[in-house]
Amino acid sequence: AQSVSQHNHHVILSEAASLELGCNYSYGGTVNLFWYVQYPGQHLQLLLKYFSGDPLVKGIKGFEAEFIKSKFSFNLRKPSVQWSDTAEYFCAVNGGRNNNNDMRFGAGTRLTVKP
Amino acid sequence: GAGVSQTPSNKVTEKGKYVELRCDPISGHTALYWYRQSLGQGPEFLIYFQGTGAADDSGLPNDRFFAVRPEGSVSTLKIQRTERGDSAVYLCASSLRGQVTDTQYFGPGTRLTVL
Repeated sequence: AQSVSQHNHHVILSEAASLELGCNYSYGGTVNLFWYVQYPGQHLQLLLKYFSGDPLVKGIKGFEAEFIKSKFSFNLRKPSVQWSDTAEYFCAVNGGRNNNNDMRFGAGTRLTVKP
Repeated sequence: GAGVSQTPSNKVTEKGKYVELRCDPISGHTALYWYRQSLGQGPEFLIYFQGTGAADDSGLPNDRFFAVRPEGSVSTLKIQRTERGDSAVYLCASSLRGQVTDTQYFGPGTRLTVL
């Protein structure tokens, strides 16, 4: 079955620490990959997405993600986090063999950045 | 411009009642999606509209759930004979053309509580 896994439920970092959030998917075929963020009290918004080309994707607010096809992974990274990055982060996938438009989300990772 | 809006923001109902949740997509967006997010989980796909028609309703959990988009703009998610397990945040999203690579823009959600 198609699924998306996020390894970390809750990550706590100090400001200026580096961040890497894991995302793995189990889909056959060509996939499109997304990272969404939900800041406290706000709605989901897109951080970045990948569907073709350079597997290293840069998004807003200094975030980037790398698609590694052989590992079925799309990990999110940021070299130096800020207190304002405190939020919930969701990895999502669509596409696959049937080119499905139904987006499947991981369970999310809550990031807390201590000032 | 205006984003996706959803009404009501909160809905409390009793078990067995009927509820309607409304979504107003971004103007000009042809595709509209409904998701359900339970506590501690990522959004779960319910149904996707392309224009007025439901292009994929494979995520609707059972026949108590139904959604319409009669004029290709506003959509209503209808839940009959509500159960306590239906309690969740119901999210709506829209995208410009409904292609798998399109960004989906999310609304703030409707928090449904079934007592």
